[in-house]
Amino acid sequence: EAQVTQNPRYLITVTGKKLTVTCSQNMNHEYMSWYRQDPGLGLRQIYYSMNVEVTDKGDVPEGYKVSRKEKRNFPLILESPSPNQTSLYFCASSRRTDGFNQPQHFGDGTRLSIL
Amino acid sequence: GENVEQHPSTLSVQEGDSAVIKCTYSDSASNYFPWYKQELGKRPQLIIDIRSNVGEKKDQRIAVTLNKTAKHFSLHITETQPEDSAVYFCAANLGFQKLVFGTGTRLLVSP
Repeated sequence: EAQVTQNPRYLITVTGKKLTVTCSQNMNHEYMSWYRQDPGLGLRQIYYSMNVEVTDKGDVPEGYKVSRKEKRNFPLILESPSPNQTSLYFCASSRRTDGFNQPQHFGDGTRLSIL
Repeated sequence: GENVEQHPSTLSVQEGDSAVIKCTYSDSASNYFPWYKQELGKRPQLIIDIRSNVGEKKDQRIAVTLNKTAKHFSLHITETQPEDSAVYFCAANLGFQKLVFGTGTRLLVSP
């Protein structure tokens, strides 16, 4: 089954304790992206990657890091989490075709609470 | 950069009525406009998308219209059903594969 898998689905942690949210897709998609969803603000892009070793900032990258060492994986790293990073996070992936945007497929989400 | 505004923020209709959600965008270079449906506690799922080379696209009870001159696009749902109740998001691209989302519309369809 084609899917985007995120782990963990839920996490409660404390300020300053480094954490990683993993994202893996089995569709051989070139493009992957991370979003955060907050009430009244919709989905805001954190980072995206057009292919292996190619990443770029989205609209709200502060406090986050990403890496893309393999095509299927795109982990989101919070080096020193703070309470304002409490949010619902989604990973997404899509094919990349030159000249055309393709539909993005979303994971089930990760709800992070940082105390 | 791109800015996408979405209205209304909430919409209540009776079952069988039509629902219309409107979005405007700012970047005239945007050429891809997807719509996502998100049920409570679930992931956003693509329901329909449109590219700038067409003005309208339909899929059963769902249609999307695009006015490039005015830089707005709309989602139309006809014969609404209770299972259409969800949050709907519009989006516009900024370059290849960078999407900017609207703030969402909560649609409630009452039986």
